[in-house]
Parts: sequence; structure tokens; C-alpha cells
Amino acid sequence: NAGVMQNPRHLVRRRGQEARLRCSPMKGHSHVYWYRQLPEEGLKFMVYLQKENIIDESGMPKERFSAEFPKEGPSILRIQQVVRGDSAAYFCASSPGFNQPQHFGDGTRLSIL
Amino acid sequence: AQRVTQPEKLLSVFKGAPVELKCNYSYSGSPELFWYVQYSRQRLQLLLRHISRESIKGFTADLNKGETSFHLKKPFAQEEDSAMYYCALAGNQFYFGTGTSLTVIP
Repeated sequence: NAGVMQNPRHLVRRRGQEARLRCSPMKGHSHVYWYRQLPEEGLKFMVYLQKENIIDESGMPKERFSAEFPKEGPSILRIQQVVRGDSAAYFCASSPGFNQPQHFGDGTRLSIL
Repeated sequence: AQRVTQPEKLLSVFKGAPVELKCNYSYSGSPELFWYVQYSRQRLQLLLRHISRESIKGFTADLNKGETSFHLKKPFAQEEDSAMYYCALAGNQFYFGTGTSLTVIP
């Protein structure tokens, strides 16, 4: 079991471009969580998804950010028209059920030029 | 409001000394609490959860509902314990503290 896989590990975008971050959960896990970590800060919850459903997106910025977890394929965190303030590490975690221990990926480091 | 507070961003102790990483929480229901650890160049991983009441790598954490705390303790710190530690609470959402960076000095 390869664990939670995130790609890419590093992503560089220019202001105004789109960023797509991918997360494949652990085998058997149907719950996916996305977190953002700004420099010198802790993890901040963004969104919680199950297959084809967004369960809680209370931590997502209202504009430019979206997430999906389709029936087939990885979960995608999409950031449109990126700005410098979007530079951060984005972590994905998965669990077999709600409030079960989460297993984390290595994260995607997003840099905006 | 649900919140997890780790008051210390940085903590240094000497090898063999006791270590305590503080975590306080606020939650209106019955919380489920966890400690996660991130060693250098590794991914975040679960260290322990309060309901299992087990000791992992010599670390223990007791949930104190009266003080709303879930401090992580180890009687004798080792160099390999140097890492980033996050306290987390599971309620209707998963909340992480801002983390404490522990350095164990040889």
C-alpha cells in the first residue's frame, strides 16, 4: 500500500494561471481532506470530501478555489487565477471513515511567481 | 467554537530530560484528540490518539476534560524525538494546532 499519493510535489505557477493539485487516497479510504499550510503557520482545514460529494468546505476560500473527488480517479484541488498569497504547502489526507485517524501525503509545495 | 491551541512554537530539551508538549482545546461536545508527528523530510503521521490510551515511542497523552488539555509527555527525551508535533481535534471538523517544533539537544 503506497499510502496517500500527492502530485506534483512542487508546482510553480505565474500569477493568473491555474493550479491543479492531485491526491490519490490510500486503498480502501473513501474520505479525503485538504489542508493548507502557510509559512510559519499550522495546518488549516480546507475541505472534506467523500466520493462524488463535498461534505464540508467551510475552510475553502469563497472564490477561485474548488475541489472534487470523482467516482474514478484522484481528488483534485483546483486554484484558478493564482495570486502570490496562494503560495503554500497543500496537504491531502485520507481516512477510512469520518473522524478516523488520517493518513497524510507528502504535500504539494505551490510557488507563485 | 472549536479550537486547538499549542502555546509553544519551539521547545528545546536536553537528551534524557522529561518533555511535555502542551495542547489545550475548546469544544462543546466530547472530543476525539490526536497527536501527529512530522520528522524531518517525512510526511505527517499519527503518533497516538486518546481513545487508545497507549504509549507510542515512549510518549503518552492524557485527556484532562477539566482543564481541556491533552498534553504530550515523555519521561526521557531522545535525539530522534526531534520533530514537529501537532495536536488535533476531531469534532464536526478536523482541527490542527499550529504545531510545536521539538529539538532534543545531545
